[in-house]
Amino acid sequence: NAGVTQTPKFRILKIGQSMTLQCTQDMNHNYMYWYRQDPGMGLKLIYYSVGAGITDKGEVPNGYNVSRSTTEDFPLRLELAAPSQTSVYFCAIGIGSEQYFGPGTRLTVT
Amino acid sequence: GENVEQHPSTLSVQEGDSAVIKCTYSDSASNYFPWYKQELGKGPQLIIDIRSNVGEKKDQRIAVTLNKTAKHFSLHITETQPEDSAVYFCAQNTGNQFYFGTGTSLTVIP
Repeated sequence: NAGVTQTPKFRILKIGQSMTLQCTQDMNHNYMYWYRQDPGMGLKLIYYSVGAGITDKGEVPNGYNVSRSTTEDFPLRLELAAPSQTSVYFCAIGIGSEQYFGPGTRLTVT
Repeated sequence: GENVEQHPSTLSVQEGDSAVIKCTYSDSASNYFPWYKQELGKGPQLIIDIRSNVGEKKDQRIAVTLNKTAKHFSLHITETQPEDSAVYFCAQNTGNQFYFGTGTSLTVIP
């Protein structure tokens, strides 16, 4: 997974709970991305970052927050979990135009 | 967001036959078109890509063609093997954002 680590692998949340999905890279790349993948669908970009201290919204940012205080870490925060956020979440790093994905976090909100 | 249409959604071929997956896109400014392979329970893996100044690119049994005028690009897998069975996604790059197709589930029948 190209040096991209995601934790946890699985998580079940109750509606209204909050959690942080962790993403860490050991390759010192500036570009990092968060995607969600719903069953039978492609990936949708939630947020991305072009470097430490810089983040920007993607296609589906509502209900999520991110921070990028270091090059290595790009956590994704869910403040008030909703059933619509049940999905598999993938973090990716960008090397030039190419993207390399982590193994994913499967999140269920009930 | 940008629209990427991918067809077919499922594809079954006999081992040794060829498989073709097609994508169309809407943003004429896009200049990078990657293809990803996703195996069950894993993150997408970049398998081949093509840039807008190239019409075709080949890497062993896989090839990608791009028609910028018609705004479509295709993945070709020749001499398919059972290990080619997976979900394949096309994507297009616009600025810092990537837009994905909805995926093609390829089954190679031994």
